[in-house]
Amino acid sequence: KQEVTQIPAALSVPEGENLVLNCSFTDSAIYNLQWFRQDPGKGLTSLLLIQSSQREQTSGRLNASLDKSSGRSTLYIAASQPGDSATYLCANFGNEKLTFGTGTRLTIIP
Amino acid sequence: DAGVIQSPRHEVTEMGQEVTLRCKPISGHNSLFWYRQTMMRGLELLIYFNNNVPIDDSGMPEDRFSAKMPNASFSTLKIQPSEPRDSAVYFCASSRRQGAGSPLHFGNGTRLTVT
Repeated sequence: KQEVTQIPAALSVPEGENLVLNCSFTDSAIYNLQWFRQDPGKGLTSLLLIQSSQREQTSGRLNASLDKSSGRSTLYIAASQPGDSATYLCANFGNEKLTFGTGTRLTIIP
Repeated sequence: DAGVIQSPRHEVTEMGQEVTLRCKPISGHNSLFWYRQTMMRGLELLIYFNNNVPIDDSGMPEDRFSAKMPNASFSTLKIQPSEPRDSAVYFCASSRRQGAGSPLHFGNGTRLTVT
């Protein structure tokens, strides 16, 4: 059974700092790895999608990397801002299903 | 692009009542997913459709849950009879196609409370 783990469960950092969120998964047969953010009371917003043949994707201050051999993905946020405060979830597409991690709740301290 | 539209946003009902959740996927998307989110279990896939056909309903918790997709622009998730443990946020999501290279787009969810 596919399992996706995100550590830490919660993270607080001062505004302006760079940070890394981690995601690990057990199924190496992935087709894509997607990162989402979820604001309280809202649905999930897609941030970045890394296809199986790719190693990383970048969008603005966000960079996501994928290492299939180790079963890990990281989301790097540069120059963090209070608006980045949200829960970040990674999801691994494998065995025809998208399996989500439990998320990292990020708080950026002004 | 109106995004994935779900209704209602909130639903409060008494145990034993029937509940119907509705979803309109993004136009042109042919894969549709129903997820349930709780604090204890996170996001769980209940069922997904490709081209209006249910592909995998192994996540549907019990026979009390059923889902339909009569056409490409509408899907329902029904719980009958509802129970307090069904209380959760139910999300609908859609993508252009199941598989690689197609990001998933979520609706804002329906918060269900069963008393």
